[in-house]
Amino acid sequence: SQKIEQNSEALNIQEGKTATLTCNYTNYSPAYLQWYRQDPGRGPVFLLLIRENEKEKRKERLKVTFDTTLKQSLFHITASQPADSATYLCALDGGATNKLIFGTGTLLAVQP
Amino acid sequence: DTGVSQDPRHKITKRGQNVTFRCDPISEHNRLYWYRQTLGQGPEFLTYFQNEAQLEKSRLLSDRFSAERPKGSFSTLEIQRTEQGDSAMYLCASSSKGLAGGNEQFFGPGTRLTVL
Repeated sequence: SQKIEQNSEALNIQEGKTATLTCNYTNYSPAYLQWYRQDPGRGPVFLLLIRENEKEKRKERLKVTFDTTLKQSLFHITASQPADSATYLCALDGGATNKLIFGTGTLLAVQP
Repeated sequence: DTGVSQDPRHKITKRGQNVTFRCDPISEHNRLYWYRQTLGQGPEFLTYFQNEAQLEKSRLLSDRFSAERPKGSFSTLEIQRTEQGDSAMYLCASSSKGLAGGNEQFFGPGTRLTVL
């Protein structure tokens, strides 16, 4: 069955540094991959979508890479700020209905 | 507010009771999804509607769960004879098919269910 793994431990970094989060998947070839942010007690918020034929995508301080050979996506936040502290979820396209298959998420804490 | 709304935000019930949740998607979105999320996990897909048609149900959705989207607008999710294992956050999301097949989903704030 499809399996998605994200950094299981929380990621603590200093303000101003670049945060790098990892998403690895097996037994699947998604057409695209998405990243969401989730704050405590709230629903996920869409950040970026990258398609299988795209290697990299950027949006402001965010950058996503997608390596379909390694079956891995990396999510980068440059010049991180305490306001970036949240859980970040990787999600794969789940087929014809485009349901999302989520990883467990990585908790990012940016220290001032 | 033109986002996805869910009601109620919190529900506490006793085991064996029935509960119903409502989701109002973004008005122009024809796709609606229900997910369930437990602590420390990502959301898990439950069911999908395209307009009023329920096109996919997860095996997680036992026969105690039923969902409807009667006019292709709002949706309801009912859980009958609740069990303690049903305690979770129930999330609703809506979307419209993107230009190149992308499917950015807009999530509501969720309904947190606690079964005592």
